Amino acid sequence: QQQVKQSPQSLIVQKGGISIINCAYENTAFDYFPWYQQFPGKGPALLIAIRPDVSEKKEGRFTISFNKSAKQFSLHIMDSQPGDSATYFCAASMNNYGQNFVFGPGTRLSVLP
Amino acid sequence: DAGVTQSPTHLIKTRGQQVTLRCSPKSGHDTVSWYQQALGQGPQFIFQYYEEEERQRGNFPDRFSGHQFPNYSSELNVNALLLGDSALYLCASSLGGSSEQYFGPGTRLTVT
Repeated sequence: QQQVKQSPQSLIVQKGGISIINCAYENTAFDYFPWYQQFPGKGPALLIAIRPDVSEKKEGRFTISFNKSAKQFSLHIMDSQPGDSATYFCAASMNNYGQNFVFGPGTRLSVLP
Repeated sequence: DAGVTQSPTHLIKTRGQQVTLRCSPKSGHDTVSWYQQALGQGPQFIFQYYEEEERQRGNFPDRFSGHQFPNYSSELNVNALLLGDSALYLCASSLGGSSEQYFGPGTRLTVT
């Protein structure tokens, strides 16, 4: 119940294309769903996050789509650029007297020039 | 505005030894969480410190312990190191009960 599943494991996209990464969860107590971007040798950087009371959130080229009934959420990267090549992690947490984040296994994105 | 800092950057230890990793939270943050990230995997939650006390703990053995100081900085201690403890150890900070966590660059621990 504490797992977050993420797919695909790796993704190759042409420059200018749309990158889509999907995540699914089981625990309905989760109330915060962030996406993190990680470059090799660096810590994860917060990209964008959503709460279950909205179905979509957009920040620049990054959009989260959230489907509460299906317990799924996805990250869309529009106009993908080579600089977006990194590993992306979805995560979920619940505010139960502290924040305990459960991360997905990650998606390695490669954007070809 | 300083972000989350961690030291050391890299560390090599021998099986059975003990190690201490350090973290300074982002300015204004009072909560520190520690994560273990094995190669090719997502971070795994170890524990969280708030007001100098362990507030939550993940599924890690007692060999993993921590401490938070009055200035909100934190230490992660691992005793009786195993080869499987080799990983990137990440520190994340947040403010109180906020969901927004910011990660440091990590400490790469290698156990030989």
